[in-house]
Amino acid sequence: ILNVEQSPQSLHVQEGDSTNFTCSFPSSNFYALHWYRWETAKSPEALFVMTLNGDEKKKGRISATLNTKEGYSYLYIKGSQPEDSATYLCAFRSNFGNEKLTFGTGTRLTIIP
Amino acid sequence: DSGVTQTPKHLITATGQRVTLRCSPRSGDLSVYWYQQSLDQGLQFLIQYYNGEERAKGNILERFSAQQFPDLHSELNLSSLELGDSALYFCASSTDRDRSPLHFGNGTRLTVT
Repeated sequence: ILNVEQSPQSLHVQEGDSTNFTCSFPSSNFYALHWYRWETAKSPEALFVMTLNGDEKKKGRISATLNTKEGYSYLYIKGSQPEDSATYLCAFRSNFGNEKLTFGTGTRLTIIP
Repeated sequence: DSGVTQTPKHLITATGQRVTLRCSPRSGDLSVYWYQQSLDQGLQFLIQYYNGEERAKGNILERFSAQQFPDLHSELNLSSLELGDSALYFCASSTDRDRSPLHFGNGTRLTVT
C-alpha cells in the first residue's frame, strides 16, 4: 500500500498572505508527482506534473517544488486570493509494479477576505 | 470544461440493484481511470484502462467491473449494490499512462437507498 500524506488537513489564510503545504510520498521507485486543485462542486483540475528531483514548477502565483530523495513536495501560493479557496490534492505514481496514481486526502484551503 | 463526459450526473437506486456509469474521455486520450469518493474519504483508485486494455487495478470490489470499448469510452458496472456504495464516481482520462495529467469528468453521484 502506497502512503501519500498531505498536511495540514485544512488551512485558513488571510487574503494577501502567502502559504504553503506539504505532500509526502514514498522515496523509492519514484515516477511522477501530480498536484490538482479541486474547487467545491467542480472536478479536480491539474496544476502540475513533476518528474525530476529538484523540479520547480510555476503557474501564476502558485508554485511547487519536488524532493524525490526524501519524498516530499511543497505547494506554495503567493498573495492568496479568495479564488484560491479549494482542496489541493497531490498524487503519486510509482515506477514499480502497479502503475496506479495514488491520491492524498488533500489540504483544504480557505482564504479569509 | 475538461472534455471528459460522464453520464448520468445523478443516479438513485435501491440496494441489490445494478447500475452502469459511462465515461467518454477527452478526444485523443487513450487512458481512462475510475475513482470513487465516499463521504469524508479521498479519491480511491478503482481501475485504469489504456487503449482498451486493463492497466492497473486498485481497491475495486468483485461486485464492480469495468471495460473500455474500441471507441475508447468506458463503462463502470456496479452490481448487488449496498448502501456503502453511495459515493461520487469520477472518470478521468489522459493522453497516455505515463506522465500526463489527468482530466476529470464532473462525476456521477450514486445514491443507494
